[in-house]
Amino acid sequence: GAGVSQSPSNKVTEKGKDVELRCDPISGHTALYWYRQSLGQGLEFLIYFQGNSAPDKSGLPSDRFSAERTGGSVSTLTIQRTQQEDSAVYLCASSFAERDSEFFGPGTRLTVL
Amino acid sequence: KQEVTQIPAALSVPEGENLVLNCSFTDSAIYNLQWFRQDPGKGLTSLLLIQSSQREQTSGRLNASLDKSSGRSTLYIAASQPGDSATYLCAVHSGGGADGLTFGKGTHLIIQP
Repeated sequence: GAGVSQSPSNKVTEKGKDVELRCDPISGHTALYWYRQSLGQGLEFLIYFQGNSAPDKSGLPSDRFSAERTGGSVSTLTIQRTQQEDSAVYLCASSFAERDSEFFGPGTRLTVL
Repeated sequence: KQEVTQIPAALSVPEGENLVLNCSFTDSAIYNLQWFRQDPGKGLTSLLLIQSSQREQTSGRLNASLDKSSGRSTLYIAASQPGDSATYLCAVHSGGGADGLTFGKGTHLIIQP
């Protein structure tokens, strides 16, 4: 069966531009997570969606970051006015239920010039 | 705030050896603990998940133990093979709230043929 997919796999953008990252979770998984992996920083939790419930946005690093999940399935992470410190690999994961085993996508490598 | 530490940061051993990777966490009120491997340029692959009520989980040559009260977990790899070379990450779901995983920075493992 299909795993978690993310697009694009790579994104290079100029400072100040907006970017949108997409995540397609495993079919039937109700929980969806976004993480960021920066060089030397490890993996950092960003935001979590459970079904159609409103997410807790407190983990997002700044108000330039937003995320939505449409129809309890596909999710998009949007970064407005990108900065060089936003350069990282953005990973999406899904699980069947809250706190079950998480299955990760291949990530989107974002480079802000 | 939960913090996860992994020791050692890097390890290089000859093929065939048994080895132990260590993980510690500061807040023992966890819901579960998950071990992942990450290959260069790839996403994360889930290896084992241990619920807070469990002491260990086994999958093939891998055995993970959990001592929740002391805030420790170990991943034991038997009869190591070059294909085991990867970064191994430990992560915990804390007991309260709807948060994602808190990750350690990983152990970079190299198995010498």
